[in-house]
Amino acid sequence: NAGVTQTPKFQVLKTGQSMTLQCAQDMNHNSMYWYRQDPGMGLRLIYYSASEGTTDKGEVPNGYNVSRLNKREFSLRLESAAPSQTSVYFCASTKLFDEQFFGPGTRLTVL
Amino acid sequence: ILNVEQSPQSLHVQEGDSTNFTCSFPSSNFYALHWYRWETAKSPEALFVMTLNGDEKKKGRISATLNTKEGYSYLYIKGSQPEDSATYLCAPTGTSYGKLTFGQGTILTVHP
Repeated sequence: NAGVTQTPKFQVLKTGQSMTLQCAQDMNHNSMYWYRQDPGMGLRLIYYSASEGTTDKGEVPNGYNVSRLNKREFSLRLESAAPSQTSVYFCASTKLFDEQFFGPGTRLTVL
Repeated sequence: ILNVEQSPQSLHVQEGDSTNFTCSFPSSNFYALHWYRWETAKSPEALFVMTLNGDEKKKGRISATLNTKEGYSYLYIKGSQPEDSATYLCAPTGTSYGKLTFGQGTILTVHP
């Protein structure tokens, strides 16, 4: 039982490049979330998926897209990376309204 | 976007001290209040999920209370230990599919 896994752990991009952050959970959770963590800003919700087949914007969705591929997987895509997207990205999952379980994070640097 | 405030921003205590911090949130549209503990270089881990006004939960030396009518929650740590050093986050959720709004956190440092 791996819980929530994220790949990659680290990534360096140049401005304008694209990439996809992968997240998978093996706890049969319905809901999945993407957060970013920046110094002095706490954890901010980018996108979430309340259930398979649905996605909704969070607090800071601009510059990102998501795909809920199936119940297990929820990916976050940066189409044209910008230095402002340098951050640590966390994926989380939960049964509805229960505690959230977080992945180990992806540290992204955009040059 | 909910306005969630945590105080103090940081706290330094000596081993053995008891301490507490506050989370304030809008009392309208409330469903649950989450507390998470976040150690450096790790991921946040849930401590408590509380829903009822007046609720009190306890896990070892850590406990929390909830007042939904006035919109606040207290987290208490009894007899702090160095391993309690972490950032403590609170996050209320309304009725919208468990979407959490996190506070900035309280950074606790326990000195041996």
